[in-house]
Amino acid sequence: DAGVIQSPRHEVTEMGQEVTLRCKPISGHNSLFWYRQTMMRGLELLIYFNNNVPIDDSGMPEDRFSAKMPNASFSTLKIQPSEPRDSAVYFCASSPRGQGLYNEQFFGPGTRLTVL
Amino acid sequence: AQSVSQHNHHVILSEAASLELGCNYSYGGTVNLFWYVQYPGQHLQLLLKYFSGDPLVKGIKGFEAEFIKSKFSFNLRKPSVQWSDTAEYFCAVSPTSGTYKYIFGTGTRLKVLA
Repeated sequence: DAGVIQSPRHEVTEMGQEVTLRCKPISGHNSLFWYRQTMMRGLELLIYFNNNVPIDDSGMPEDRFSAKMPNASFSTLKIQPSEPRDSAVYFCASSPRGQGLYNEQFFGPGTRLTVL
Repeated sequence: AQSVSQHNHHVILSEAASLELGCNYSYGGTVNLFWYVQYPGQHLQLLLKYFSGDPLVKGIKGFEAEFIKSKFSFNLRKPSVQWSDTAEYFCAVSPTSGTYKYIFGTGTRLKVLA
């Protein structure tokens, strides 16, 4: 398996622009997580899905952020409009939740977002 | 509220020194426990995990961790560190029921001097 795939790996955009980050989880995994990592705040859980349904979005910073999972093999995290303070590394992770208690999360390589 | 504490934020060691990174959690139920490592510029990789059974868990690259239930701790150890162990280490806790989501600690940055 190729692991969790994220695209793009790097994104540089200007303030006010829409940004879309993409994630393909590991095949067969039914939970997907979006995290944000910054120097100031560390690793934060933004939202997670189970069987394509958002379960907990309490970590989403504000309405500018939205996430979707239209099917089991694809998810997007969208920021509209983007702001400089959104600059961070965004990680996607997937987990075989529901397949017993062994809910190890597998992380993707991340998308480094810079908003100018 | 559930929480994970990593007491050491920055650790600097010389090669061959022994390592112990502390991790304590606050949760009333049964948990799964994890240590992840993030090498500079890379994503998080699983170092080791505890689900049940022997509380002394061995992971990759010579790391091990001991789950002490009475102390709500899951400390990471390595008898002799190498320069290549320079990285950030995250402890994570996940309930075995309910949301299953991770609670991550704030991380410990380890620098190993050659």
